[in-house]
Amino acid sequence: AQSVTQPDIHITVSEGASLELRCNYSYGATPYLFWYVQSPGQGLQLLLKYFSGDTLVQGIKGFEAEFKRSQSSFNLRKPSVHWSDAAEYFCAVGAKAAGNKLTFGGGTRVLVKP
Amino acid sequence: DTAVSQTPKYLVTQMGNDKSIKCEQNLGHDTMYWYKQDSKKFLKIMFSYNNKELIINETVPNRFSPKSPDKAHLNLHINSLELGDSAVYFCASSPTSGIQYFGAGTRLSVL
Repeated sequence: AQSVTQPDIHITVSEGASLELRCNYSYGATPYLFWYVQSPGQGLQLLLKYFSGDTLVQGIKGFEAEFKRSQSSFNLRKPSVHWSDAAEYFCAVGAKAAGNKLTFGGGTRVLVKP
Repeated sequence: DTAVSQTPKYLVTQMGNDKSIKCEQNLGHDTMYWYKQDSKKFLKIMFSYNNKELIINETVPNRFSPKSPDKAHLNLHINSLELGDSAVYFCASSPTSGIQYFGAGTRLSVL
């Protein structure tokens, strides 16, 4: 069975500072990996995805993530955080063999200090 | 135009009632999903339909019954609502590529 762990429940970062959110997954085959962002009271918006190929993937809003198979990780990064990046971030693993169902991590809430 | 739309956005009801949440997508996708997000923000899949056929049915009480009249619609009917059903319910759709697009959610409060 697939699983996702996001070790950090909350992260507080100053505006303009860099951000890294951790994600570890467990899946028996090559995973499909995703990062979604949820702003307060909103739905989930896809930031980026990894299916295959280049292990460093670029997403929207200046985010990037790196797939490291040896560490079973897919960490999300942004070089310079903006106040509008305050939100809940979810890492997810997809299983094509299981009808594309997504298994989500518990989420990391990002707070941005002025 | 909203790609995945859910109605209603908010739903407040009494225990024991029956309610439905509707979902429609205009993306031409074959697969649709229902997810539940609990009070701790944990997201878990409930159901998935591919072209009107049920393909994923997680361990959800049988009070929850999804219905897909066509591949653009996936509705969720809940019988005999309980306090523990209070949550945000998200609908999503995807093409065969597997990228899922989510609706804005329906916040259900059972009193």
